[in-house]
Amino acid sequence: AQKVTQAQTEISVVEKEDVTLDCVYETRDTTYYLFWYKQPPSGELVFLIRRNSFDEQNEISGRYSWNFQKSTSSFNFTITASQVVDSAVYFCALSANNAGNMLTFGGGTRLMVKP
Amino acid sequence: GAGVSQSPSNKVTEKGKDVELRCDPISGHTALYWYRQSLGQGLEFLIYFQGNSAPDKSGLPSDRFSAERTGGSVSTLTIQRTQQEDSAVYLCASSLAGAGWETQYFGPGTRLLVL
Repeated sequence: AQKVTQAQTEISVVEKEDVTLDCVYETRDTTYYLFWYKQPPSGELVFLIRRNSFDEQNEISGRYSWNFQKSTSSFNFTITASQVVDSAVYFCALSANNAGNMLTFGGGTRLMVKP
Repeated sequence: GAGVSQSPSNKVTEKGKDVELRCDPISGHTALYWYRQSLGQGLEFLIYFQGNSAPDKSGLPSDRFSAERTGGSVSTLTIQRTQQEDSAVYLCASSLAGAGWETQYFGPGTRLLVL
């Protein structure tokens, strides 16, 4: 069975603060893929990043960065210098070759960035 | 269009009525997924299509739910004898070939309210 846990249900920060969204996963598969999606108030899930289980290199894209650590089964997401437009619900998700092609989602973290 | 489209965007129905939700995937994507997002259950997988076949129906919550896909393109999710607990946002996603490592791209969803 696969499981994704996002322990932070809601985070509130002031603009320009850095914020880290936590994601912990469980899977028995050795090959798996991790994703982050953003769901703004409009409701559509927007793809942010995909990592595979063999690539633990951290990734940076503008103000976004991701830290993947297999040793702790975590795939955390950091937003540097947050902006009001970053306000959204963020979902971490997992898929595995031996578990069909479905995405298993965490419960989501609602991020509120206040001006 | 360039992205996944879904219709209707909103649907209000009375308990006991049947509803049909439509999904139009990204052109050329052979894999299509249905998910449900509800307050109590988060984002949950319903069914996956590879072409017109559904190799994974494991997430359908009851036999009142069915889905089909024709011509390897448009899919319809049908809920018969709707119940209030069916109220949720129904999300459709597509990916190129259905491999577990592929990114799934989501549509805007259909918000279903059963009175």
